[in-house]
Amino acid sequence: NAGVTQTPKFQVLKTGQSMTLQCAQDMNHEYMSWYRQDPGMGLRLIHYSVGAGITDQGEVPNGYNVSRSTTEDFPLRLLSAAPSQTSVYFCASSLGLARRAETQYFGPGTRLLVL
Amino acid sequence: AQSVTQPDIHITVSEGASLELRCNYSYGATPYLFWYVQSPGQGLQLLLKYFSGDTLVQGIKGFEAEFKRSQSSFNLRKPSVHWSDAAEYFCAVGDYTDKLIFGTGTRLQVFP
Repeated sequence: NAGVTQTPKFQVLKTGQSMTLQCAQDMNHEYMSWYRQDPGMGLRLIHYSVGAGITDQGEVPNGYNVSRSTTEDFPLRLLSAAPSQTSVYFCASSLGLARRAETQYFGPGTRLLVL
Repeated sequence: AQSVTQPDIHITVSEGASLELRCNYSYGATPYLFWYVQSPGQGLQLLLKYFSGDTLVQGIKGFEAEFKRSQSSFNLRKPSVHWSDAAEYFCAVGDYTDKLIFGTGTRLQVFP
């Protein structure tokens, strides 16, 4: 198993550009989520999904879109990048739901710089 | 809404010393509690979790944590720290809404 994979590892964008951060898992996990990590802020939940076709907002959803057309993939789209979106982005997946205290498996992260 | 507080931003200990990292949560019902560790440049790895039963939870790498409902705490402990334990540690709480909320993290530095 590759686990949770994220691409790209590093990206530089100009303000106003759009891009998609890719996340895939090969563990047949229902639950997937996106976090951003900023110094002194810990990890903040952006969006999450409890299964294909179902997504919901986390703590900081503004400026980001997600979709879940398959169990394996959970892309994160930045519609119009802003410098405030400079961060490290982590994708995570788990067998079940957060409410069942399932272990989340994290990808290696995508470092995004918006100029 | 639930929240997690890790009051210590940075802790320094000597190798072989004991360690306790603090975590306090705010949640109305029984929470699901986790500790994750992040080594530099890496993703997060689960150390241990609590969801019911015995309030003293054993994890990987010799770590343990104790759930104390009366204090709304879930502190992480290790009796003897190794240099390889230097990392950032995150406490997290999950609830019935399926969100997992993380604290701001505690960076552990270990001196030889």
